[in-house]
Amino acid sequence: GESVGLHLPTLSVQEGDNSIINCAYSNSASDYFIWYKQESGKGPQFIIDIRSNMDKRQGQRVTVLLNKTVKHLSLQIAATQPGDSAVYFCAEKGSGSSNTGKLIFGQGTTLQVKP
Amino acid sequence: NAGVMQNPRHLVRRRGQEARLRCSPMKGHSHVYWYRQLPEEGLKFMVYLQKENIIDESGMPKERFSAEFPKEGPSILRIQQVVRGDSAAYFCASSVTPGANVLTFGAGSRLTVL
Repeated sequence: GESVGLHLPTLSVQEGDNSIINCAYSNSASDYFIWYKQESGKGPQFIIDIRSNMDKRQGQRVTVLLNKTVKHLSLQIAATQPGDSAVYFCAEKGSGSSNTGKLIFGQGTTLQVKP
Repeated sequence: NAGVMQNPRHLVRRRGQEARLRCSPMKGHSHVYWYRQLPEEGLKFMVYLQKENIIDESGMPKERFSAEFPKEGPSILRIQQVVRGDSAAYFCASSVTPGANVLTFGAGSRLTVL
């Protein structure tokens, strides 16, 4: 079945360093991917998205890379700050879900930023 | 713009009671989505509704769970005869377009079943 998974449950980085959070997905037919950030006690917050016809997309301090060959997605955060501490989820738009808003979320990676 | 509003933020119920969770979408949004998050897990899709219509309920448990989005008022997620396994955070999201890729989530309602 469809699944989205993350490689590491927790990532600890030093403030100012770059962070890389990885995600593997299983549905090769998915055509849209999103990264969400969830702070403690809050709902998921959209960070950045990418369509399957792209392999890289950049935002402010964040970059998403998509490797369709190995079905791998990564989120890179430049100059990580304490405010980046949160759980990060990758999500895919499942096949046949283009009109339903049905996103398939991974398990989440906790990013801890050390001062 | 108050965003997606959910209430209650925290709800405690005993086994067998009913839980009602409310969601008011962002102003101008007429599409609502409910997701459930179990502890230490990602969010799982439950249901997608438009005003007065259920569009996709493929993630809803077959029994005890129901959702509505009336013409007037908030969307309601109703869980009858709650069990301990229903303890979770329930998130509502909304969008202005149908089946939108980018969803705006509320802060969630955390249900604890004793």
